[in-house]
Amino acid sequence: SQQGEEDPQALSIQEGENATMNCSYKTSINNLQWYRQNSGRGLVHLILIRSNEREKHSGRLRVTLDTSKKSSSLLITASRAADTASYFCAPTGNTPLVFGKGTRLSVIA
Amino acid sequence: DAGVIQSPRHEVTEMGQEVTLRCKPISGHDYLFWYRQTMMRGLELLIYFNNNVPIDDSGMPEDRFSAKMPNASFSTLKIQPSEPRDSAVYFCASSPGLGGHNEQFFGPGTRLTVL
Repeated sequence: SQQGEEDPQALSIQEGENATMNCSYKTSINNLQWYRQNSGRGLVHLILIRSNEREKHSGRLRVTLDTSKKSSSLLITASRAADTASYFCAPTGNTPLVFGKGTRLSVIA
Repeated sequence: DAGVIQSPRHEVTEMGQEVTLRCKPISGHDYLFWYRQTMMRGLELLIYFNNNVPIDDSGMPEDRFSAKMPNASFSTLKIQPSEPRDSAVYFCASSPGLGGHNEQFFGPGTRLTVL
């Protein structure tokens, strides 16, 4: 199974700032998904980017994918306190999703 | 649909006791996954089912752990006997397909504490 590794492990920013999280992986993929986990909750799917896409937007989220570098980034613009959560990437092929330890984002009001 | 349902939400038990965690996947989803999350090890895939059949249980830590899916709407994860190091949050997830473009839908988790 593919597994992504998120970086940094933790990130603390002020409300209104942008937050950037990175993901690296080792094998070829079909797609890459990002998930969010609020404290005490299950993971929630945020966005999927296909291997033939380089960038994708959804609201305040912007995801990039560089398959040559086997890396992806998640940008949250104009962050809000409600964005405080852990974020996970999941490179996908035809196998179950395997998650890393995530990036813990704290947005301070 | 109500989403993936897990019960109980919290379980506190004593070492040596049997623990049974329950999951109801989203109707129509062919895949069901059990994960365990701890601070030290992160989110680990324990086992997954396709159409009620266990496909890969290589993530199950020990023989003390077992999982069943008697029908498409119910799965259990059993720990017998339980040990303090089993303390974790256990998540069930379901998906219409495997990997690729398929999104996994997670339940709220069961927080297990073994004293």
